[in-house]
Amino acid sequence: DGGITQSPKYLFRKEGQNVTLSCEQNLNHDAMYWYRQDPGQGLRLIYYSQIVNDFQKGDIAEGYSVSREKKESFPLTVTSAQKNPTAFYLCASSPSGGNRNTEAFFGQGTRLTVV
Amino acid sequence: AQKITQTQPGMFVQEKEAVTLDCTYDTSDPSYGLFWYKQPSSGEMIFLIYQGSYDQQNATEGRYSLNFQKARKSANLVISASQLGDSAMYFCAMRPFSSGSARQLTFGSGTQLTVLP
Repeated sequence: DGGITQSPKYLFRKEGQNVTLSCEQNLNHDAMYWYRQDPGQGLRLIYYSQIVNDFQKGDIAEGYSVSREKKESFPLTVTSAQKNPTAFYLCASSPSGGNRNTEAFFGQGTRLTVV
Repeated sequence: AQKITQTQPGMFVQEKEAVTLDCTYDTSDPSYGLFWYKQPSSGEMIFLIYQGSYDQQNATEGRYSLNFQKARKSANLVISASQLGDSAMYFCAMRPFSSGSARQLTFGSGTQLTVLP
């Protein structure tokens, strides 16, 4: 079935470590997004990519990095520079283009905890 | 840049009654799409309904309808005949479509809906 796969579902990180969250889609979507969600809060955009080998910072990019080497994959690295990384991370993808129904499809999310 | 505002952090509704969740937005783009998502406690994001900025009619999808008032920049979600399973967090989102614009998908802070038996 077509969809978005995030892994792992739960991730524990020691302080000072970098960790990478995986996001893979087989929907042939051009655009991909990473969001952070804190408890009881909305989704804040970390990074997004409209096309392979190109990405833009969102509202809270500091302490995060991404790559888009393949259309299907958009991994997110949470670096040691991110001071408060404990959160729920959601990856999404959507078709490009406008003036039509282009809803984003989401993965199941990764819950990251710093221990 | 675009902004989405949801002013109701929490709402309660009696089962089988209708409820309206508010959403206002701000954008300079002439062409954009508005989306509503439902997030149950499991964390998954479920797409509910879409409204294009140039659509002449309000969108409807089953028990969901969107009250779109372009001049007021509002896109309220109406859920009719509420069910216990409707209890969840609801997010309004917007994406500009104009060429050359940063086509990021921006979300509001959400409304936690609780349906009472």
